[in-house]
Amino acid sequence: DAGVIQSPRHEVTEMGQEVTLRCKPISGHDYLFWYRQTMMRGLELLIYFNNNVPIDDSGMPEDRFSAKMPNASFSTLKIQPSEPRDSAVYFCASSWAGRTQYFGPGTRLLVL
Amino acid sequence: DQQVKQNSPSLSVQEGRISILNCDYTNSMFDYFLWYKKYPAEGPTFLISISSIKDKNEDGRFTVFLNKSAKHLSLHIVPSQPGDSAVYFCAASHGGSQGNLIFGKGTKLSVKP
Repeated sequence: DAGVIQSPRHEVTEMGQEVTLRCKPISGHDYLFWYRQTMMRGLELLIYFNNNVPIDDSGMPEDRFSAKMPNASFSTLKIQPSEPRDSAVYFCASSWAGRTQYFGPGTRLLVL
Repeated sequence: DQQVKQNSPSLSVQEGRISILNCDYTNSMFDYFLWYKKYPAEGPTFLISISSIKDKNEDGRFTVFLNKSAKHLSLHIVPSQPGDSAVYFCAASHGGSQGNLIFGKGTKLSVKP
């Protein structure tokens, strides 16, 4: 039974470039979450969707960040333009009925 | 304003002994609590949860205790094994904000053989 799938696992890019992170949630789950983990701030929620609709994006740091969920099996988190301070591990998680969340392996992003 | 606090950044325990990880919260609206385990270069893995209507939940070697009056929960691992060495996060949510899990900063557990 496949868990949450994220791609790429690692991304190295230069400042100013566009970065797109991808997530496939667990089949049948109706909630999808994007998190960012840094040493300073720990694990912080960026945005979450319910039935493909964004519910709370108050954690999205700036307009440079955007997220979409075009269907129940796919979501993207885009950073444009990227900056060095965006370097972090980005996790996607999914759940059924919004309680217990199951995380993907994460995307380690390094912006030079 | 940290609503979920794990005050011990690290804990070292001998194999076979009990590991006790602690977590405090400030929001009395929280009604569902979870523990996650995280290995390096992997995502957090769900371990065990507890609803506020209970004060204890057990799953094998793992037991979570909830003290609502003290706004405190703890995770007990008995007996501890070297494979339990990981970072443990506690998280909380309330029914009015389904999906909005608030995480603590984590406690790194090291179980020595």
